Amino acid sequence: KNEVEQSPQNLTAQEGEFITINCSYSVGISALHWLQQHPGGGIVSLFMLSSGKKKHGRLIATINIQEKHSSLHITASHPRDSAVYICAVTGAGYTDKLIFGTGTRLQVFP
Amino acid sequence: DAGVIQSPRHEVTEMGQEVTLRCKPISGHDYLFWYRQTMMRGLELLIYFNNNVPIDDSGMPEDRFSAKMPNASFSTLKIQPSEPRDSAVYFCASSPLWGRQPQHFGDGTRLSIL
Repeated sequence: KNEVEQSPQNLTAQEGEFITINCSYSVGISALHWLQQHPGGGIVSLFMLSSGKKKHGRLIATINIQEKHSSLHITASHPRDSAVYICAVTGAGYTDKLIFGTGTRLQVFP
Repeated sequence: DAGVIQSPRHEVTEMGQEVTLRCKPISGHDYLFWYRQTMMRGLELLIYFNNNVPIDDSGMPEDRFSAKMPNASFSTLKIQPSEPRDSAVYFCASSPLWGRQPQHFGDGTRLSIL
C-alpha cells in the first residue's frame, strides 16, 4: 500500500464546476504539499501546509491531521486548470524527503 | 527572478553513452534536489544536497548514476553508461529552507535512451 494515496486518479469536469481532489497518507508528517503539473510541463508548488486551510485565488487546500487527510478544491474551474495534481508529504523530520502520491489527472472542458 | 534552470530540455542518445544533466538552482537556495519521473513509478527522489553536501542519496538507482554539486550555483547528474530503462523526465528543484519553505522545480530534462 502506498504511503500517500490520491483519489480520484482521473477527473473530468465542465467549466465552472467545483472540484475536489483527495489525499490520504499513512505516515507521520511535518507538512503536506500540493503540486501542479501541466502536460509536458514543469511542476509548480501550489501549497505547503501543516494545519488548517490555505487559499490562493480559486484554489483552497485543507488538511485534517487527526484523520491524515487533505483536500484540494478548485472553485469555478476553467480549462486552464487541466493538469495533474500531485499530493506529497514530508516525513515527521522537517528535512525528510518528499513522498509523492501518484497524481490526479484533471481535465476541464469548456 | 530566474527560476531553477535545467539543461538540456531534451536529450536523445544511444545506449551506453554518457549523459550529463545540468541544474542551476535559484540563488540563495541552500537545498537542491534531483528527481526522476516515469509513468510506472511517478516522481522519485534520487538525491538531495544541503549547502553543496549530499545528504541523502538512497534513491540513486545504481552505481551508473552520480551527482555532484561543486558550488552553490551548479549541479550535475551523470549516467554512465546509460540504458534504455533510464529514459524518464529528470527534474531538479531547490528550496531556501527545506522543511519550512516549498521546493521550486525546473522545467525538467526529457531523456530518451535508444
